[in-house]
Amino acid sequence: GDSVTQMEGPVTLSEEAFLTINCTYTATGYPSLFWYVQYPGEGLQLLLKATKADDKGSNKGFEATYRKETTSFHLEKGSVQVSDSAVYFCALYNRDDKIIFGKGTRLHILP
Amino acid sequence: DSGVTQTPKHLITATGQRVTLRCSPRSGDLSVYWYQQSLDQGLQFLIQYYNGEERAKGNILERFSAQQFPDLHSELNLSSLELGDSALYFCASSVSTVNTGELFFGEGSRLTVL
Repeated sequence: GDSVTQMEGPVTLSEEAFLTINCTYTATGYPSLFWYVQYPGEGLQLLLKATKADDKGSNKGFEATYRKETTSFHLEKGSVQVSDSAVYFCALYNRDDKIIFGKGTRLHILP
Repeated sequence: DSGVTQTPKHLITATGQRVTLRCSPRSGDLSVYWYQQSLDQGLQFLIQYYNGEERAKGNILERFSAQQFPDLHSELNLSSLELGDSALYFCASSVSTVNTGELFFGEGSRLTVL
């Protein structure tokens, strides 16, 4: 079945460092891909999305490119802030109205 | 504030008991999704309802059931509770199907089974 694999955390970086959180997926066909973010004590919220190959989603300085050849959707940010500390979930939607989430990657940013 | 309301926020109960979690979707949203989040299993899809009817089913145990009412709010019923059912239960809503691209999540109901 469809699945999402993302790098295990926690990831700890200093402020202004470059961030990459890896995400790969297994799916038939052409799924839509998402990154959701969960701040402490809150529910998940959509960060960015891409619906077809080579699309780039971006929001709040974060970017991710849908790479069908490598089945990847890595999340990147050029300069992280303390306020980016959260748990990040990669997800896919393919068929039958289910969205499949990865296990989440906890990110800590040190001032 | 996502507009999705979940109650209760915290619940502590004993093994063998039954609880009901409630979710009110965003105004106008027809679909409701339930997810279970635990430390070792990540975020697991349980079930989806669309305009009162079951639309998709995930890894939902037989001891669990859900429904969506005519006013579109939804309830998740968990019975014969076990220690392993302790988790954060999220409700999410969307206008139609998730293919629109965005789910709106509530803040979750944290269930502790002792």
